[in-house]
Amino acid sequence: DAGVIQSPRHEVTEMGQEVTLRCKPISGHDYLFWYRQTMMRGLELLIYFNNNVPIDDSGMPEDRFSAKMPNASFSTLKIQPSEPRDSAVYFCASSDGQGDGYTFGSGTRLTVV
Amino acid sequence: KQEVTQIPAALSVPEGENLVLNCSFTDSAIYNLQWFRQDPGKGLTSLLLIQSSQREQTSGRLNASLDKSSGRSTLYIAASQPGDSATYLCANNTDKLIFGTGTRLQVFP
Repeated sequence: DAGVIQSPRHEVTEMGQEVTLRCKPISGHDYLFWYRQTMMRGLELLIYFNNNVPIDDSGMPEDRFSAKMPNASFSTLKIQPSEPRDSAVYFCASSDGQGDGYTFGSGTRLTVV
Repeated sequence: KQEVTQIPAALSVPEGENLVLNCSFTDSAIYNLQWFRQDPGKGLTSLLLIQSSQREQTSGRLNASLDKSSGRSTLYIAASQPGDSATYLCANNTDKLIFGTGTRLQVFP
């Protein structure tokens, strides 16, 4: 398995633009997580899915953020409109929920100017 | 709210030293405990996973222990090397991973 795959690796966008981050979890993993990492706040859980259903979105900062998981092999995190304070590294992770731990993707570094 | 604290926040040592990194939780209802390494500008690499029924795990020069009663985990690094320089994160896994603040380690030659 190629692991958790995220795209793009880097994204630079202007304030007000829509940004879409993508994630392909490990095949067979039923859980998918979106995290955001900043120097000030460390790693924060934004939302997670189980069997494609959002379970906990309490970490989503505001209505500008939305996440979807249309099928077991794909998820998106969308920010619309983007703001400079959204600049961070966004990680996707997946897990089989059976105690074998989490696997993280390489992250998407988002810069909003 | 679950909080995870890591001590020390930063550590700089000469190579060859044996190191101890600490992790503590406000909620001792730990399911699994996972230690990660993060190199600057990179993603997270899983180092060790201690499942709820276990007390420790070992991989090479790394050993992680878990004391559920006190809500603490310790990562031991034996004979540290410059290549061990990175940020080390622990995470408590209940229904989701809650990360600690990390320990930034620098091992100099």
